[in-house]
Amino acid sequence: TQLLEQSPQFLSIQEGENLTVYCNSSSVFSSLQWYRQEPGEGPVLLVTVVTGGEVKKLKRLTFQFGDARKDSSLHITAAQPGDTGLYLCAGDDFGNEKLTFGTGTRLTIIP
Amino acid sequence: DTEVTQTPKHLVMGMTNKKSLKCEQHMGHRAMYWYKQKAKKPPELMFVYSYEKLSINESVPSRFSPECPNSSLLNLHLHALQPEDSALYLCASSQDGQGALSYNEQFFGPGTRLTVL
Repeated sequence: TQLLEQSPQFLSIQEGENLTVYCNSSSVFSSLQWYRQEPGEGPVLLVTVVTGGEVKKLKRLTFQFGDARKDSSLHITAAQPGDTGLYLCAGDDFGNEKLTFGTGTRLTIIP
Repeated sequence: DTEVTQTPKHLVMGMTNKKSLKCEQHMGHRAMYWYKQKAKKPPELMFVYSYEKLSINESVPSRFSPECPNSSLLNLHLHALQPEDSALYLCASSQDGQGALSYNEQFFGPGTRLTVL
């Protein structure tokens, strides 16, 4: 069974600070998606990383896929209250129809 | 159009009721999914339809019955639910669940908040 562990589980920081969320596994994934979900809403796809070592930027968010494609990180620079939400990573197993979801990181940015 | 829509947004039902959840996408995706999400937990996969055929049933109780009338629509029929079935039900779609693409990028709808009394 594949598992994706996210850390930290909860994070509450002041507006303007930087933060990093980690998504780790002992399994190799063909790709990894990051989603943000607000209460009562569906997850919104932020990015997909495919190549080992790949770095993608989305405004103040930087996503990295580990060289061995077993882990990923999300770094947010100068966090804003609009970044508040549940962040989920999800791994794709080489064309398997099922995604393996991470355990989630609940982020709160305090104005 | 990059949107997955779901209706209704909220649903309250008794344990003897029959209701249906609906999902629609117009992105030309050929794989569609139903997930159940409890508070503060990641989504749990229930069913996968690939090219309008049921390809995965994650041992879901028969009181949940999925249906895929065509490649754009996905329904979830509910009957004799239990209070513990109360949750956020999410629909998602992807271009091709397996095979044609090297990765499975899923797009989610806004969900239906279901309460079973």
